[in-house]
Amino acid sequence: AQSVTQPDIHITVSEGASLELRCNYSYGATPYLFWYVQSPGQGLQLLLKYFSGDTLVQGIKGFEAEFKRSQSSFNLRKPSVHWSDAAEYFCAAYSDNDMRFGAGTRLTVKP
Amino acid sequence: DAGVTQSPTHLIKTRGQQVTLRCSPKSGHDTVSWYQQALGQGPQFIFQYYEEEERQRGNFPDRFSGHQFPNYSSELNVNALLLGDSALYLCASSLGLGLTGELFFGEGSRLTVL
Repeated sequence: AQSVTQPDIHITVSEGASLELRCNYSYGATPYLFWYVQSPGQGLQLLLKYFSGDTLVQGIKGFEAEFKRSQSSFNLRKPSVHWSDAAEYFCAAYSDNDMRFGAGTRLTVKP
Repeated sequence: DAGVTQSPTHLIKTRGQQVTLRCSPKSGHDTVSWYQQALGQGPQFIFQYYEEEERQRGNFPDRFSGHQFPNYSSELNVNALLLGDSALYLCASSLGLGLTGELFFGEGSRLTVL
């Protein structure tokens, strides 16, 4: 069955430290891949997307993600985290008009 | 440029009641999808509307129904509410059916069932 897995439920990093959030997908063919961010009480905002081509994708707010076909992964990274990055992050995959989300990773940023 | 708007933002119902949630898509978008997000979980796909018809449906019972109007706005109806229906209901709009899948979300309607 098609699925998206985010192995880390909760991650805590210090402000200014680097960040990597993991995402793995299980699909027959490579889906379109997305990362969304959700601040408390808010809807989801698209950070970046991967359709094809360059495997390193740049997004908004200084985020980037790397697609690795061999590992079925699409991990989100940021070189230096800001306190305002504290939020819930969702990886999503789209194929055949079906969008599936992972369960999310909650990011806490320590001062 | 108006984004996706949803109403109401919060509501409280009791078991057995019925609820209607509303969504206006982002300007220029013609496709509306509805998601249920339970506390601590990712959004779960309910259904998608395009050209006033339900095009795709997730694993939700018939108690969940919807409608899309000629102006592309949409409603989600839930009948015979259960405690487990308590969740944030998200509306997302997109352009076209089965294209890139890029979704624009509203801020959601938080439903509490007592």
